[in-house]
Amino acid sequence: NAGVTQTPKFRVLKTGQSMTLLCAQDMNHEYMYWYRQDPGMGLRLIHYSVGEGTTAKGEVPDGYNVSRLKKQNFLLGLESAAPSQTSVYFCASSYGTATYEQYFGPGTRLTVT
Amino acid sequence: ILNVEQSPQSLHVQEGDSTNFTCSFPSSNFYALHWYRWETAKSPEALFVMTLNGDEKKKGRISATLNTKEGYSYLYIKGSQPEDSATYLCASLYSSASKIIFGSGTRLSIRP
Repeated sequence: NAGVTQTPKFRVLKTGQSMTLLCAQDMNHEYMYWYRQDPGMGLRLIHYSVGEGTTAKGEVPDGYNVSRLKKQNFLLGLESAAPSQTSVYFCASSYGTATYEQYFGPGTRLTVT
Repeated sequence: ILNVEQSPQSLHVQEGDSTNFTCSFPSSNFYALHWYRWETAKSPEALFVMTLNGDEKKKGRISATLNTKEGYSYLYIKGSQPEDSATYLCASLYSSASKIIFGSGTRLSIRP
């Protein structure tokens, strides 16, 4: 069991460039989440998905899009990267909603110059 | 605006001592509280999921309590060991999946 994996681990982008972060889980979890982690702040929810083909906005969705075409994968897209999107991005998955623990990936460190 | 506060922000404890820290959260429409342990260079790992007022959970030397009426949870570590050094995160969850609010964590360092 690989658990939750994220690709890539590191990336540097120039302002205006686009990229996609991939999250994959092999635990057959219905729920998947994308968070960002900034210094001095808690993890903040960007988007989440309650099942294949469904996505919804979290606390800080602006500037990001997501897709969940397959149950095991959750993609986070940045169409036009901005320096404010420099952050560490974590993906997580869970079997169900609030009463189930989340399993986190190793994170992707993104720098936008 | 929903806000989850953790205190203290950081804590240095002598090996063998016991310690505790606090997570405060808005109690309106509360659904569940999660505690995670986050070691440096690793991913957060779940310790406890708690839902009911008065809940107490224990895993080895670590335990947690929950007061949903006043909106706080305590995490206790008994007989701290160097491997307990980590950041401890709490997250409060509300009536929909979109309302997941993490605190900024308590960074615990154990002095040998």
